[in-house]
Amino acid sequence: EDQVTQSPEALRLQEGESSSLNCSYTVSGLRGLFWYRQDPGKGPEFLFTLYSAGEEKEKERLKATLTKKESFLHITAPKPEDSATYLCAVRPGGYNKLIFGAGTRLAVHP
Amino acid sequence: NAGVTQTPKFQVLKTGQSMTLQCAQDMNHEYMSWYRQDPGMGLRLIHYSVGAGITDQGEVPNGYNVSRSTTEDFPLRLLSAAPSQTSVYFCASGDSATNEKLFFGSGTQLSVL
Repeated sequence: EDQVTQSPEALRLQEGESSSLNCSYTVSGLRGLFWYRQDPGKGPEFLFTLYSAGEEKEKERLKATLTKKESFLHITAPKPEDSATYLCAVRPGGYNKLIFGAGTRLAVHP
Repeated sequence: NAGVTQTPKFQVLKTGQSMTLQCAQDMNHEYMSWYRQDPGMGLRLIHYSVGAGITDQGEVPNGYNVSRSTTEDFPLRLLSAAPSQTSVYFCASGDSATNEKLFFGSGTQLSVL
């Protein structure tokens, strides 16, 4: 069964304190792993797509990496405006759908 | 810059009532989908469409109907609302072939009493 597990469920950081969010997955024929950011009361907003193990992508203070079993979202020197829920999703091979994890709620305090 | 527009933002229904959640996109995307988001469970796919006249079921389709008569619109119908359908509903659209990057609406918060 295709499955996505994110950890931790919630993370509290001080401004400038770097950390990583984890996304573990089991999927038949991965056709892409996606990271989204979701602010309270809003829809998810696309961040990254990763396709193969070893791939990395960066955007400002965020860097996403991918292995054969998991992905990490590294946050370097976070700011309060990085506070949000971060969602991970995978697309199984042959299916027009995304399977989402439950998300990690990140709070960055000044 | 409308993107994906969902209406209404909030709705309260009584058990057994029916209603339609509206979704429209102005990006000429072939792929459109409906998700529901419940605490601790992540987003779950209800129905999706890869083009006008084509729809298919997702993970949790029971109690919901969809149709796709135009590229722009993808309404979600609740036939007979139940308390288990209390949730936040999101519509999303994307490019047809790969739909790698989904664009989400701002959501509809539905409560069924």
